[in-house]
Amino acid sequence: GENVEQHPSTLSVQEGDSAVIKCTYSDSASNYFPWYKQELGKGPQLIIDIRSNVGEKKDQRIAVTLNKTAKHFSLHITETQPEDSAVYFCASTTGFQKLVFGTGTRLLVSP
Amino acid sequence: DTAVSQTPKYLVTQMGNDKSIKCEQNLGHDTMYWYKQDSKKFLKIMFSYNNKELIINETVPNRFSPKSPDKAHLNLHINSLELGDSAVYFCASGPSGGHGYTFGSGTRLTVV
Repeated sequence: GENVEQHPSTLSVQEGDSAVIKCTYSDSASNYFPWYKQELGKGPQLIIDIRSNVGEKKDQRIAVTLNKTAKHFSLHITETQPEDSAVYFCASTTGFQKLVFGTGTRLLVSP
Repeated sequence: DTAVSQTPKYLVTQMGNDKSIKCEQNLGHDTMYWYKQDSKKFLKIMFSYNNKELIINETVPNRFSPKSPDKAHLNLHINSLELGDSAVYFCASGPSGGHGYTFGSGTRLTVV
C-alpha cells in the first residue's frame, strides 16, 4: 500500500527564517497532496494542497512543490512567525477516499 | 457554525467498558472518516463511509464498530476497551474522491 515518509521530525527556526519540510510517497498513482497544520489540542487543518498536474502552488507565505518523477513534495514557509509553531503533516491519496499521512514535523519558531 | 463536531472531547473509562463517540458534519460532504492518532502523533485511517456505506475498513479490531445513520453523522462504538485503545480519535469529512478533508477537534480517549 501507499507509504509516505516525512522529514525532519522536528525543526527549530528563528522568527523570520524559512522552513522546509519534505515528503516522499511510494505510489506513483497518487494524484493529490495536501498539507495539514495541527495546533496543540486541535484537529489537523488543511493549509495548502497540490494536484499531480501542477508543479508548484503558492498562498502568501506558504508554497508547495511537487516532483512527480522523484515522488517528492515539499512545504516551504517563508518569514516564519511564532504562530507558525505546530505539527505539520503531509499526505497523499490516489483518490480512493483515503488519505495516507506522513509521520509529522514539529515546527518551533523562536521569537 | 462548527463544520465537523465530535463529542465528547475527553473520555476516561476503565478497561472492559463499552463507549461511543459521536460525529456530525454540516458541510454537505458525502464522505466521513475516523482516524486514530497515537501518542507519537501518527494519523492512521480506521474507517470511511460514503453516503452511509462503508467503503474503507482498515485492519481494525472487531471491537470497533462504526455506524452512519445518515450522511451527516458517523459514530464510533468501541466494545471491551483495552489500554492500547488510548489515543485521540478524529472524525473528518470530505467530498467524494478523498480531497479537501475537514477534521473535527478530536476525542481524547484514556483507558485506565
